[in-house]
Amino acid sequence: QQQVKQSPQSLIVQKGGISIINCAYENTAFDYFPWYQQFPGKGPALLIAIRPDVSEKKEGRFTISFNKSAKQFSLHIMDSQPGDSATYFCAASRSGTGNQFYFGTGTSLTVIP
Amino acid sequence: EPEVTQTPSHQVTQMGQEVILRCVPISNHLYFYWYRQILGQKVEFLVSFYNNEISEKSEIFDDQFSVERPDGSNFTLKIRSTKLEDSAMYFCASSPPRAKGTDTQYFGPGTRLTVL
Repeated sequence: QQQVKQSPQSLIVQKGGISIINCAYENTAFDYFPWYQQFPGKGPALLIAIRPDVSEKKEGRFTISFNKSAKQFSLHIMDSQPGDSATYFCAASRSGTGNQFYFGTGTSLTVIP
Repeated sequence: EPEVTQTPSHQVTQMGQEVILRCVPISNHLYFYWYRQILGQKVEFLVSFYNNEISEKSEIFDDQFSVERPDGSNFTLKIRSTKLEDSAMYFCASSPPRAKGTDTQYFGPGTRLTVL
């Protein structure tokens, strides 16, 4: 059972454009939804995270939109830059001692100069 | 800024051999995790550890795997008898005390395990 589904698998965006990555989850008990950025050969780095009590969170050029009723959340990267080229993973977890993250399958973003 | 560190960065071993992957979590963190990522695939949870015991483990974390926090700083993952399919990048992660109001996990750079 795939707890978190992510799309698209790959994305090519022009510099200055908006990159949008979507995720959908199954388990309504999930209450923490982070996005991670991963460069080749590196570990995932936290980008931004949201809890279901808000519908949107913005940090700089990065925005998470959250739709609780649809069980979907998305990452928007405004004014995309070549340095944003990386793989992006969404994740979901349920608060608690175990707190395992369920990751999406990843989106490879390429920003063309 | 404090970081999770992992050693070695790359480990090559023969099938059937034991390997120990080492991690130093961020110093004031209390929750520790191991994940793995097979090349080109998603990151998969292996185990979480809190208060010197396993909190949660996945189906991947079978009897061949064990974790230990041998002292106040290190957190290790042992694979007793490696198989070809254990070849992957292994990530350690840690989280601060829950009282800080965050479930964020901070990931290390990973250890690439190659089983021949």
